[in-house]
Amino acid sequence: GAGVSQTPSNKVTEKGKYVELRCDPISGHTALYWYRQSLGQGPEFLIYFQGTGAADDSGLPNDRFFAVRPEGSVSTLKIQRTERGDSAVYLCASSLGNEQFFGPGTRLTVL
Amino acid sequence: DAKTTQPPSMDCAEGRAANLPCNHSTISGNEYVYWYRQIHSQGPQYIIHGLKNNETNEMASLIITEDRKSSTLILPHATLRDTAVYYCIVSDLNTGNQFYFGTGTSLTVIP
Repeated sequence: GAGVSQTPSNKVTEKGKYVELRCDPISGHTALYWYRQSLGQGPEFLIYFQGTGAADDSGLPNDRFFAVRPEGSVSTLKIQRTERGDSAVYLCASSLGNEQFFGPGTRLTVL
Repeated sequence: DAKTTQPPSMDCAEGRAANLPCNHSTISGNEYVYWYRQIHSQGPQYIIHGLKNNETNEMASLIITEDRKSSTLILPHATLRDTAVYYCIVSDLNTGNQFYFGTGTSLTVIP
């Protein structure tokens, strides 16, 4: 069956620009998670949705980062005024219980 | 912050068992132990999880000590395709199951 998909797979942008990263979870999964992974590090938790609501956004680094999941399925991570330090792989995972299923990630490069 | 500590790297001969240790001395009663692995440029892949009892599936075995303060992931017959970074994570489903990854163990399977 279809797994978690993320688009785009790669995104190159310039400092100060706005970007949107999309996550399509596995159908029927109620929980959705966003993580960020820098080179040589483990993934870092950003935000978690249960249904349409953000149940925990404590991992978002600052107010330039925002995420939505308006219909309880697809989620979009939005980054305003991007900085070079935002360059990383952004991972999405979905879950119906214990196990989280991860997508392939979006590699964001801010020049 | 991650609640687990793992050795940064390990080697294993192809065909032999790979035993990957993890310490989680501050684990709470409701937290499960999860193991994921990440092959270069891919999203993390679920391997196994457990609460108190030892678990086995087609990929691996998970041995959890009686006091639950440490665990070992066992890959019974390592192959070259098992070369990856292995992450041990503890998480509570009741509080959202957010994963706080450490830096993991980089396992190299040697021919």
